[in-house]
Amino acid sequence: GESVGLHLPTLSVQEGDNSIINCAYSNSASDYFIWYKQESGKGPQFIIDIRSNMDKRQGQRVTVLLNKTVKHLSLQIAATQPGDSAVYFCAETRLGNKLVFGAGTILRVKS
Amino acid sequence: EAGVAQSPRYKIIEKRQSVAFWCNPISGHATLYWYQQILGQGPKLLIQFQNNGVVDDSQLPKDRFSAERLKGVDSTLKIQPAKLEDSAVYLCASSSYRGANYGYTFGSGTRLTVV
Repeated sequence: GESVGLHLPTLSVQEGDNSIINCAYSNSASDYFIWYKQESGKGPQFIIDIRSNMDKRQGQRVTVLLNKTVKHLSLQIAATQPGDSAVYFCAETRLGNKLVFGAGTILRVKS
Repeated sequence: EAGVAQSPRYKIIEKRQSVAFWCNPISGHATLYWYQQILGQGPKLLIQFQNNGVVDDSQLPKDRFSAERLKGVDSTLKIQPAKLEDSAVYLCASSSYRGANYGYTFGSGTRLTVV
């Protein structure tokens, strides 16, 4: 069945370093992908999205890369800060229907 | 704009009791979702509404879970009777296609503990 998974369950980085969180997806028909940040006790918070007709999109300190050939998605966070510590999820959807989430990656930022 | 509102924030019940959660989506969002998030996992869809109609409830345990969105605005999710494995965070989300994205927005969720 369709699934979205993450390679690394926990990522620890030093404050100021760049972070890269990876995600593999299996549904080649998905046309829209989103990265979410979830802090303890809160709902998922939108970070950045990308459509399948793009391979890169940049936001403020974040970049999402999409490689459709190998069905891989990554989130890059520049100059990681303590406030970036959270669980990060990638999610996929087709035609704006239900989101399919991965299990999540815990990002820990060391000061 | 106001976000997705959910209540209550926390609920503790005994197994076999019933419980209900409420969600008010972002104004104008036609699509509403209920997700279940078990600790340490990503959210999983329970049910999707388009206005007041059900689009997808294939993952909803219909023997104990029910949901409605009678007027196409707010929604309730009910569990009766609850089981221990229903302990989770229940997230409501809404979306509306605008330009290049679908505008998915999540509420803060209701944390349910079944004892």
